[in-house]
Amino acid sequence: EPEVTQTPSHQVTQMGQEVILRCVPISNHLYFYWYRQILGQKVEFLVSFYNNEISEKSEIFDDQFSVERPDGSNFTLKIRSTKLEDSAMYFCASTRQGRDIQYFGAGTRLSVL
Amino acid sequence: DAKTTQPNSMESNEEEPVHLPCNHSTISGTDYIHWYRQLPSQGPEYVIHGLTSNVNNRMASLAIAEDRKSSTLILHRATLRDAAVYYCILRLYSGGYQKVTFGTGTKLQVIP
Repeated sequence: EPEVTQTPSHQVTQMGQEVILRCVPISNHLYFYWYRQILGQKVEFLVSFYNNEISEKSEIFDDQFSVERPDGSNFTLKIRSTKLEDSAMYFCASTRQGRDIQYFGAGTRLSVL
Repeated sequence: DAKTTQPNSMESNEEEPVHLPCNHSTISGTDYIHWYRQLPSQGPEYVIHGLTSNVNNRMASLAIAEDRKSSTLILHRATLRDAAVYYCILRLYSGGYQKVTFGTGTKLQVIP
């Protein structure tokens, strides 16, 4: 069964450093999403992306965050200058059509020291 | 978005059926009822969804009340692998993208 792949599984970084989290969505999917989950808390929506532009973003997704689909297969989340509070699991998801069920990756654990 | 209410936690014995309830008294006519689950240390996973009629798939069954103000996810024989947080979510199908808004869900513990 096709799946969403995220790399790395765990990223450790120093506060103030830039990180890029990578996702390979399912190949024929058109809509892409990033979510995050701080330890012990709810899964929170960050951003949705369609047709090479952001469709919606939450208030969490401030100027420090950006997303990109640099080629036909990858979807990335960049955090320019990480803060301690950015430590969380980050999940990528994709759907074929926007109203379809979402397929989630296993996540990247980001630890900011 | 219409809100859902779920118990914080439930327990079940292995190989017994589990009924996970969800209340959604403010549901609108165009809201679909979705269930996702999140196994420990994994991303959320789609389980099932429905609008008005009961639904079955290989993972579970979804029973929807006639007035649609509540629903129940049924796992017919709980296994240890079913231990997860189960989320009941309302999604409006209005075309285009739509994010999934997660609540706190029900943490299901399966006892061997």
